Order: sequence, then C-alpha cells, then structure tokens
Amino acid sequence: DIQMTQSPSTLSASVGDRVTITCRASQSISTWLAWYQQKPGKAPKLLIYKASSLESGVPSRFSGSGSGTEFTLTISSLQPGDFATYYCQQYNSHSHLTFGGGTKVEIK
Amino acid sequence: EVQLVESGGGLVQPGGSLRLSCVASGFTFSNYWMNWVRQAPGKGLEWVANINQDGREKYYVDSVKGRFTISRDNAMNSLYLQMNSLRSEDTAVYYCVRDGVAPGVYFDSWGQGTLVTVSS
Repeated sequence: DIQMTQSPSTLSASVGDRVTITCRASQSISTWLAWYQQKPGKAPKLLIYKASSLESGVPSRFSGSGSGTEFTLTISSLQPGDFATYYCQQYNSHSHLTFGGGTKVEIK
Repeated sequence: EVQLVESGGGLVQPGGSLRLSCVASGFTFSNYWMNWVRQAPGKGLEWVANINQDGREKYYVDSVKGRFTISRDNAMNSLYLQMNSLRSEDTAVYYCVRDGVAPGVYFDSWGQGTLVTVSS
C-alpha cells in the first residue's frame, strides 16, 4: 500500500504568513493527490485535486504543486478562517486510497 | 446543492452489528462512485470502502474486509454500510462521501457524519 507522510504535524503561524505543508508518497502517484481542510467538529472540505487544480469556490490563496512523490500545499497569506487541520490524500486507484496523517495549523 | 445525510450510528457492544445509511440529494446519485470514510476520535481520516455506479465493483480497506459490506440502492438514492463483528477500533465518525467530478478518486462532497461507538 502507498503510505502518505505529511510534515510538519503541527505548524504555528500568524495571520498574513505564507504557509507551506509537505506531503510525501512512498511511491510515485503521478499527480493523483488531493488536499482537504477540516475544522473541529466539521466534515473535511476539498481544496485541491490532481495536485494543483483548485476546487470551485476555494480562495486563490490556496495552491498545490508537485508530482511523483513530493507535493506541497501553500497558503499565500493566512487568514483567520484558515486555522484548521489539513490532509493530503492519494488516489492512485479505487482499491487503495490513503490519507496523510494531517497538519494542524495553529495561531502563533 | 449536493446533500449527503448519514444515519444509523450509535453505541454497540464489541462483536455486534450496525447498519449505516446515507441519503443523497442534489445530484444524479447513480452516476457516481460513493465512499465511506471514517475518523476515530482525535485521529486522522481513513478511507473504509467504496462502490461503483451499478454496485458491482466494491473495495475495502484491509482492516474491515470480511466484516463490512458496502451497498447502494440507486432507486432510493441511498448508500449503506453493514458493519458486523465490530471492534473497539471501529469507533469513529463515519462519513458518506462522493467521488469528485474530474477523473480520479478524490472526494468533493461529504456528509456531516454519524458516530459509531463500540464499547461494552
């Protein structure tokens, strides 16, 4: 199975900061990667799919990049509503789908 | 507007069974793969199972194979998860989730979740 490793697990930042979260796959997944945001007590929300495609309605301060085994999610200017936990997810096939362990973005 | 509404969660003893349901609206249910994703308290996300549009293709995470069964009723716009031989480690919020529109298996719509607690 493909393992997904996110780093860091926790990130402290201030409003206006540029934030980067990394996700590494244990083998190449091309660009079959998605990013989600989850706030406490809520369901996850899709931000990015196919590594760099922005989901409709998601602010343009969110961007994704990468291919193969290394991917990044960048928030260009952190806003108060962006403090949340972020997950990456690989989707190499329907039969094996895995998430990263999550990155919690906290207020510094 | 896409809506996914889960039900059927609750407290069950180890070894017991539970059936989760999800009713979909706001889209053509029969056109989409559907999934169950769970989240144990304070933990990350784990994909559990999925099913294709006509119900003939199904996949499961290894930890639930032989114990859980995913199914769907396209006439009722409903997705199900039959959970047998439940264990304490199955305790989680279970989300009903739709595949995205673009090629690939990502999740663009999530229900609010239903909590399953396995405890004596």
